[in-house]
Amino acid sequence: DAGVTQSPTHLIKTRGQQVTLRCSPKSGHDTVSWYQQALGQGPQFIFQYYEEEERQRGNFPDRFSGHQFPNYSSELNVNALLLGDSALYLCASSIGQGLNTIYFGEGSWLTVV
Amino acid sequence: KNQVEQSPQSLIILEGKNCTLQCNYTVSPFSNLRWYKQDTGRGPVSLTIMTFSENTKSNGRYTATLDADTKQSSLHITASQLSDSASYICVVRDDKIIFGKGTRLHILP
Repeated sequence: DAGVTQSPTHLIKTRGQQVTLRCSPKSGHDTVSWYQQALGQGPQFIFQYYEEEERQRGNFPDRFSGHQFPNYSSELNVNALLLGDSALYLCASSIGQGLNTIYFGEGSWLTVV
Repeated sequence: KNQVEQSPQSLIILEGKNCTLQCNYTVSPFSNLRWYKQDTGRGPVSLTIMTFSENTKSNGRYTATLDADTKQSSLHITASQLSDSASYICVVRDDKIIFGKGTRLHILP
C-alpha cells in the first residue's frame, strides 16, 4: 500500500518562474493538505482540498493555488516565484477533513535562485 | 504569538540517555495533540495522538503525556538511539492544524 507520494523530490527554479508540485494521497484518503516548511521551521498550512474544492486556506498569497482531481490527487501551483518561496513543500492526506488519519509525503524541495 | 510553543529549541544528548521535550499550547477549543518525528529533509511521521481525555500514550521508547488543564504536553524518549536524531514537532488541532516549530534533537555516540 503506497503512502503519500510527491513529485518531484527536488527542483530548482528561477525567480519569477512558475512551479507545479504533485501529490497522490494514500490509498483510501480523499483529502489533501499542502504545507510549506522553511529550513528550521515547522510546517505552515497553505490550503486543504476536499471533494475537488479548496476548503481551508492559510495565510498565503494568491500566487499559491491548487487543484484536486477526481482521483483525489492534487497539485500545488506557485506563480511569480520569489527567493523566499524556497522551502520543503509537504503534502498530507487524510480521510475526510479530520486529523486522525493524516499522513505526510516525503516532500518536494524547491530552491528558487 | 505562536499558539504552539516547543522547548528546548535544540537538544544534544549522549546515546542511551533519556530526554524530555516540552510543548505548551494556547489553542482552544482543543481537539487532539500529536507528536511527529521528522528526519532531515523527510516528511513528518506520526508518533502519538492524544485527545483531551488521555493523559499518557506510549509508542515503544516514546511516551507522550498531556495535561489539558495546563495545556502542556511532553514527549519522553527512553534509552535514546542514534536514529532518534531528528526534529520532533508538536501539532495541536482545533478546527485548524497548528504546528510548533519543533525541537531539534541530536544524539551523540
